[in-house]
Amino acid sequence: AQSVTQPDIHITVSEGASLELRCNYSYGATPYLFWYVQSPGQGLQLLLKYFSGDTLVQGIKGFEAEFKRSQSSFNLRKPSVHWSYSAEYLCAVWVPTGANNLFFGTGTRLTVIP
Amino acid sequence: KAGVTQTPRYLIKTRGQQVTLSCSPISGHRSVSWYQQTPGQGLQFLFEYFSETQRNKGNFPGRFSGRQFSNSRSEMNVSTLELGDSALYLCASSLARGTGELFFGEGSRLTVL
Repeated sequence: AQSVTQPDIHITVSEGASLELRCNYSYGATPYLFWYVQSPGQGLQLLLKYFSGDTLVQGIKGFEAEFKRSQSSFNLRKPSVHWSYSAEYLCAVWVPTGANNLFFGTGTRLTVIP
Repeated sequence: KAGVTQTPRYLIKTRGQQVTLSCSPISGHRSVSWYQQTPGQGLQFLFEYFSETQRNKGNFPGRFSGRQFSNSRSEMNVSTLELGDSALYLCASSLARGTGELFFGEGSRLTVL
């Protein structure tokens, strides 16, 4: 069965520090990959997506993610974080099988200390 | 361009009641999906509608139902509410099916007492 793993439940960093959020997926082929951000009490905002091609993708707010097929990973990175980036970050994969096409990880809660 | 609009944003119900949540997708988007988000289970897919037809359904009991209108607006209904139905219900729309590129609303927070 398809699955998405975000091993870090909660990460705390200081403002200005770099950030890497991990995401691993389990699927036989290469799925479509996404990162969403969710602020408290809000819906999800799409940060970036990977369909095919260049494995380093750029998104909004200066985020980037790198797809590594050999590691089944799609880690999110940010060179320098601002306190306003404190939020829940969710990795998701889309696979063309079954009823539940979009699978979400359980999320990583990021706290940025000013 | 207006985003996905969900109403109501917050509501409180008691066990046994039913609830209807509404979702207006982004203009031009014809696919609407619904998700349930809880602290314990995370985001779980409920169903997807496209052109007024349910195209996919997640693993939820029959108490959860939905529909889509000709203007792509969608509603979901939960009957005979249980305490475990307390959750954030998120609606998402997409221009096309089969890409996973969803645009989410802010959700409807349901509390069942």
